[in-house]
Amino acid sequence: GAGVSQSPSNKVTEKGKDVELRCDPISGHTALYWYRQSLGQGLEFLIYFQGNSAPDKSGLPSDRFSAERTGGSVSTLTIQRTQQEDSAVYLCASSPVGTSGIIAKNIQYFGAGTRLSVL
Amino acid sequence: DQQVKQNSPSLSVQEGRISILNCDYTNSMFDYFLWYKKYPAEGPTFLISISSIKDKNEDGRFTVFLNKSAKHLSLHIVPSQPGDSAVYFCAASAGGKAAGNKLTFGGGTRVLVKP
Repeated sequence: GAGVSQSPSNKVTEKGKDVELRCDPISGHTALYWYRQSLGQGLEFLIYFQGNSAPDKSGLPSDRFSAERTGGSVSTLTIQRTQQEDSAVYLCASSPVGTSGIIAKNIQYFGAGTRLSVL
Repeated sequence: DQQVKQNSPSLSVQEGRISILNCDYTNSMFDYFLWYKKYPAEGPTFLISISSIKDKNEDGRFTVFLNKSAKHLSLHIVPSQPGDSAVYFCAASAGGKAAGNKLTFGGGTRVLVKP
């Protein structure tokens, strides 16, 4: 498809288990972002990739969270030893532009998200 | 520390009338602002944006106004249509390499357009 694809769309797991969430960005988009939306909240930035590098990991809430991107395309967000407070919708976005020293238009295109429920 | 705030969690408007959504920000480094629309079980969809060098941007029924001195922006939808019923998020980014253009989002405003 032409849009950002995320899988699975829903994930239910038990507390303490590890989970992997996948994002397929729009072809050719060099920038990739992960956000999460907890119930009733706005979107919270987690991590940003430019190509395969992650220059900004400042939003990752703890060392249980990690992400990687391979081939400048697919990205995986891994949450180890999940906790109930990790329950949220995890959204991936991609953008055709990278960083710039000047004001850069940054329209990010979002996937439908993965709804994670930790029991 | 909420850098982007949408103080109205919900808004109800009659079809054909104007919807006005408001957004305030605190970070003076923000130089690009966006509005996204989100339907249930879908990802946010880009609606309209504005650079800090402008004070107005219009696209069809949607107009965004930026007041830099007040650190305030608003989205006007006119005329409102039932299909506009969704949650609207205001977002901001700070240009420059270090920032990575990550978006800081407000909490959203749920708009209901009544037929």
